[in-house]
Parts: sequence; C-alpha cells; structure tokens
Amino acid sequence: GAGVSQSPSNKVTEKGKDVELRCDPISGHTALYWYRQSLGQGLEFLIYFQGNSAPDKSGLPSDRFSAERTGGSVSTLTIQRTQQEDSAVYLCASSMIATNEKLFFGSGTQLSVL
Amino acid sequence: QQQVKQSPQSLIVQKGGISIINCAYENTAFDYFPWYQQFPGKGPALLIAIRPDVSEKKEGRFTISFNKSAKQFSLHIMDSQPGDSATYFCAARNAGNNRKLIWGLGTSLAVNP
Repeated sequence: GAGVSQSPSNKVTEKGKDVELRCDPISGHTALYWYRQSLGQGLEFLIYFQGNSAPDKSGLPSDRFSAERTGGSVSTLTIQRTQQEDSAVYLCASSMIATNEKLFFGSGTQLSVL
Repeated sequence: QQQVKQSPQSLIVQKGGISIINCAYENTAFDYFPWYQQFPGKGPALLIAIRPDVSEKKEGRFTISFNKSAKQFSLHIMDSQPGDSATYFCAARNAGNNRKLIWGLGTSLAVNP
C-alpha cells in the first residue's frame, strides 16, 4: 500500500481480555516502531524492529505487552489481560532504515478497555 | 524527567500571523531534530527537520531556527492558516543511545479564520 496501515482502527474490549493490534508497514521499510499515545499526551516509545529482530524493547510497559514481526513486514502488538490504563491510541511507524529519520506513521488503533 | 521540553502547550493565532513553538533540550548527544504535525485521528507526519550543523532551515512557510549554544530550537509558521491547526511535536535523536527519538509533549495550535 501507499502508507502504513493499522487494524483495527478502533477496538473496544473488556478488562482482562487479550487484544492483538496489527501493523502493515510501507513496502521495503526495514524498520518498524510501535508507540502509544494517551489522550493529550506525547508519544511513548514501546518497541522497534529492524527486520524481524527487536533491538530495543525497553518501552514495553509490562510483560503483558509483546510484539512480533514476521517476514520483515507485518507486525502484531499483543496486550494480554488488558487493564483500563492500557486505553490509548497505539501508533505504528515505519522507515527505510532504523535511523529514526523520516518516520511514516499509520493512523493508529484506538483501544478502549472497559 | 522530560529531556525535551516543549512550549507552549497550546497556542491560538490569527490567520496570517506567525506561530512560534519552542523546544529546549539538555543532552549534547542529540544530533537530529525533527518536527511532526498531527491532525486529529491521524498519525504524526514529518514536517521539517534540522541537524545541528546549521542554524536555520526553511521549507515553504515553515522554518526551524536552531541555537546550539542555548540548546534550543523552534518552529516558525509564517502566514498561519486555519489548515495549519494541528498538534505539533518536536523531537530530538540521541546519537549515543540506539539513536532513540525523544519527544516533546506537543503543542496544540489553533489558527482562527
């Protein structure tokens, strides 16, 4: 596709359920980033991938959060046993190489945990 | 501790005016300073960026001014338009820490017609 695609665009879940968020980066982009944005807040880095490897997972808030990337393309962010404080917009970005220059963001997944 | 401090938090400007958003940093290892623009319901989009070897960069109505000695950089939007109403984020890349981007908390800009 022409841009970074994220699905679903909105997800409402109940506390304690698991959720999976998907990101399709721009074709050919080797680096992929996950961020979290809470209402009125800045961007909180979660994890980034270079190819299928995750050199930096330092931003994952707890062991309930995990992510994987397969085939150097699609990535999935999984949140287990969701909590209300997990409610936020989850943004995915990709770039040609992992220099943190020229990030292309998707429109995000709005996660609401009831 | 917020390593990149952005101000103001919100800004209202009249159409045709100049919008100025400021960012300050402490870490001298930062080597790349982008500004991103975010519209409601969308992800941020790169607007303009600067490296510390230049003091100013201009792209259309958008200018970054960079003061290395003061560790400050700012975004100037000339002839502000209602379509510029968005949230603006500054960021700084740490050359020494996995090239991690450190983000400001954002400025909500409203341009009145």
